[in-house]
Amino acid sequence: AQSVTQPDIHITVSEGASLELRCNYSYGATPYLFWYVQSPGQGLQLLLKYFSGDTLVQGIKGFEAEFKRSQSSFNLRKPSVHWSDAAEYFCAVEGGANNLFFGTGTRLTVIP
Amino acid sequence: ETGVTQSPTHLIKTRGQQVTLRCSSQSGHNTVSWYQQALGQGPQFIFQYYREEENGRGNFPPRFSGLQFPNYSSELNVNALELDDSALYLCASSGDIHQETQYFGPGTRLLVL
Repeated sequence: AQSVTQPDIHITVSEGASLELRCNYSYGATPYLFWYVQSPGQGLQLLLKYFSGDTLVQGIKGFEAEFKRSQSSFNLRKPSVHWSDAAEYFCAVEGGANNLFFGTGTRLTVIP
Repeated sequence: ETGVTQSPTHLIKTRGQQVTLRCSSQSGHNTVSWYQQALGQGPQFIFQYYREEENGRGNFPPRFSGLQFPNYSSELNVNALELDDSALYLCASSGDIHQETQYFGPGTRLLVL
């Protein structure tokens, strides 16, 4: 069965510091993977996606993610965090019929 | 802006009542999915409609039902509301059912008292 684990419930980083949010997935076939961001009270905005090809994926707002099949991971990274990046981040895997299975999310706090 | 809109933005109902939530997909998108996001949780897949037919369902009871219309709009209906139905309901549209990015609306926050 498909599932996504985001081990970190809450992460706090200083503005300008680097960021890595962890995501591990379970899926029997080649996964389609996504990272979404959600600001308080808002819907989900797509940051980036991996379908196939290059395992390092570039997204919006300076984010990137690397697909590592051997580790069943799809970690999200950003070299320098801005205060506006404070939000909830969700990793998701497509369940084969274009339905998404989401992790429980990681809440990012950015301190000055 | 994803082009996906939802109404209403907020709604308060009492236990046992029925509710209809609405979604307008991006023009040209023939697939719409609905998700329930409880407080502090990730979204959970309710069901998907493709060309006006249900095309997959998550672990939700039959009192959750939907409709999709030719004009790219859709509805989520929930009967016999329970307290645990309180959540943010998100719809997402995509251009097809395979390998397509889903674009989410802002959601409807439902509170059941």
